[in-house]
Amino acid sequence: AQSVTQPDIHITVSEGASLELRCNYSYGATPYLFWYVQSPGQGLQLLLKYFSGDTLVQGIKGFEAEFKRSQSSFNLRKPSVHWSDAAEYFCAVAGVRALTFGSGTRLQVQP
Amino acid sequence: DGGITQSPKYLFRKEGQNVTLSCEQNLNHDAMYWYRQDPGQGLRLIYYSQIVNDFQKGDIAEGYSVSREKKESFPLTVTSAQKNPTAFYLCATDGGGTGPHEQYFGPGTRLTVT
Repeated sequence: AQSVTQPDIHITVSEGASLELRCNYSYGATPYLFWYVQSPGQGLQLLLKYFSGDTLVQGIKGFEAEFKRSQSSFNLRKPSVHWSDAAEYFCAVAGVRALTFGSGTRLQVQP
Repeated sequence: DGGITQSPKYLFRKEGQNVTLSCEQNLNHDAMYWYRQDPGQGLRLIYYSQIVNDFQKGDIAEGYSVSREKKESFPLTVTSAQKNPTAFYLCATDGGGTGPHEQYFGPGTRLTVT
């Protein structure tokens, strides 16, 4: 069965600093990978997805992610974080039935 | 205005009562899903439906029931058999069929049972 691990439960960065959120997946076939963001008490919004092709994918709000098959990773990055990026971020892999999500990383942004 | 509607946003119930959470979509999507979210545990799949009049159990279906009588609607009933029903419930949809699809999420319903 597929699984997703997000090793960092909570990350704090300063506004303007760069950001990298880690995601490792386990899946037997070619993975289809997603990053979602959730503001408190809200639903999830898709940031970006990887299905095939270029391993560096661009998303909304200035985010990007790089798929590395050799490391089973799909890390999310942003060059300069804004205060409005404070939220919870979920990595997910598509399975046969539905998406399997990691446990999330809560991002706090310091002024 | 296309999207997914979940109502109500907050729901309070007494222990032992069944409660139904609403999920409506006008995206014309075939597939609909219910997830449960608890702090620090990510999202867990309760039930899903790939097409009208058909649905399947997810990973944590015990104590829950669903129906899919219309393409637009996928209500979730939390029964008194669910041992720990207090949680945030999210409904999602996608286009269905073969191949990967991103899922679209509703705003969620927070259920509190006391």
